[in-house]
Amino acid sequence: AQSVTQLGSHVSVSEGALVLLRCNYSSSVPPYLFWYVQYPNQGLQLLLKYTSAATLVKGINGFEAEFKKSETSFHLTKPSAHMSDAAEYFCAVSDPLSGGSYIPTFGRGTSLIVHP
Amino acid sequence: DTGVSQNPRHKITKRGQNVTFRCDPISEHNRLYWYRQTLGQGPEFLTYFQNEAQLEKSRLLSDRFSAERPKGSFSTLEIQRTEQGDSAMYLCASSYSGRNTGELFFGEGSRLTVL
Repeated sequence: AQSVTQLGSHVSVSEGALVLLRCNYSSSVPPYLFWYVQYPNQGLQLLLKYTSAATLVKGINGFEAEFKKSETSFHLTKPSAHMSDAAEYFCAVSDPLSGGSYIPTFGRGTSLIVHP
Repeated sequence: DTGVSQNPRHKITKRGQNVTFRCDPISEHNRLYWYRQTLGQGPEFLTYFQNEAQLEKSRLLSDRFSAERPKGSFSTLEIQRTEQGDSAMYLCASSYSGRNTGELFFGEGSRLTVL
């Protein structure tokens, strides 16, 4: 079974500061990994994904994440936070050996708060 | 590509009433998923379809819940005899099995409030 742990339900940063949102996964095989962003009263939008190619993945809005197999981590970073980055962020994992279902399992989410 | 569309966006109902949500996926996507999201939680998988076949259901999908995708296009999620614990955001997502990695395209959700 696969699972995702997001450390910290809330992360607060100042505008212009580094953003680091943590995600650790549990999977019996190298998984596919995703970060989604959700703005209030909206659905989820894909930020970036890892599907066994380059371990450093670049996404939209200046975000990137690095897959580290030895640490079973897929942390999300952005060098400089912007006020518009304030949102809920979800890490998700799917199993490439799931018989084709690839149903993603989501973490509980991290709320990013950006202060002026 | 008009995106995934969900209706209604908001539904307020009294306990014991039935409610139905509709989801229209991206037109070329043959897979359709339903998730439930409660306050402060991530989305939880309920069920998914490939074309018109319902291939998997979560244990979260009690007997009061039923989902259909009659012609492999739009889908409906019905909740019978609603309970206050059913209050949540119901998210629909779609994907194409030929390029499937688990990346999903989500609609904006249907928020249910049971009084």
